[in-house]
Amino acid sequence: GAGVSQSPRYKVAKRGQDVALRCDPISGHVSLFWYQQALGQGPEFLTYFQNEAQLDKSGLPSDRFFAERPEGSVSTLKIQRTQQEDSAVYLCASSLEVGGWYGYTFGSGTRLTVV
Amino acid sequence: GQNIDQPTEMTATEGAIVQINCTYQTSGFNGLFWYQQHAGEAPTFLSYNVLDGLEEKGRFSSFLSRSKGYSYLLLKELQMKDSASYLCAVSQSGAGSYQLTFGKGTKLSVIP
Repeated sequence: GAGVSQSPRYKVAKRGQDVALRCDPISGHVSLFWYQQALGQGPEFLTYFQNEAQLDKSGLPSDRFFAERPEGSVSTLKIQRTQQEDSAVYLCASSLEVGGWYGYTFGSGTRLTVV
Repeated sequence: GQNIDQPTEMTATEGAIVQINCTYQTSGFNGLFWYQQHAGEAPTFLSYNVLDGLEEKGRFSSFLSRSKGYSYLLLKELQMKDSASYLCAVSQSGAGSYQLTFGKGTKLSVIP
């Protein structure tokens, strides 16, 4: 597609519920990133994929967070047993080249609210 | 680790010039980015500096001094649509070089 697409746009989850957030990167983009953005803060790195390989998951806050990109295109970020501190906007970004240090294209994000 | 500081909020008048500063401390600097983010929308790329000096792109310019750990984004001929958050982000070399570390953002309000 023309841009990075994320769904759902908004998600309200009850505490303890599992959620799955989807990212459709720009076609052909090698690198895919997930970031978490709390209200009034800058985005914080969660994890990085190069094609289907998850090369870095050091930013995932706990083992309740899991991300995959099985075919090197669409990615899913799953959060198990959601807690209130998980409330944030989850941003996906993709980059044509390996690494992405020349800049990414971000999606509009999924706003997760845990009640 | 990395530490990035930028002002929380700024206000400027339509048609004026505004400078948003960013200071950073990092090991192994590999480039500095500025992104614009309107409320509820995706951050969009504005500029990238890896060498010292000024990069000009239309109404927006970005400056970098690596020795001082300092950058600024200059917005000229401000328009109402420039009201947004401006994010400074740093890339570091070596392990983890693909990820960006963002500041908290500067919320710019343009008033008539």
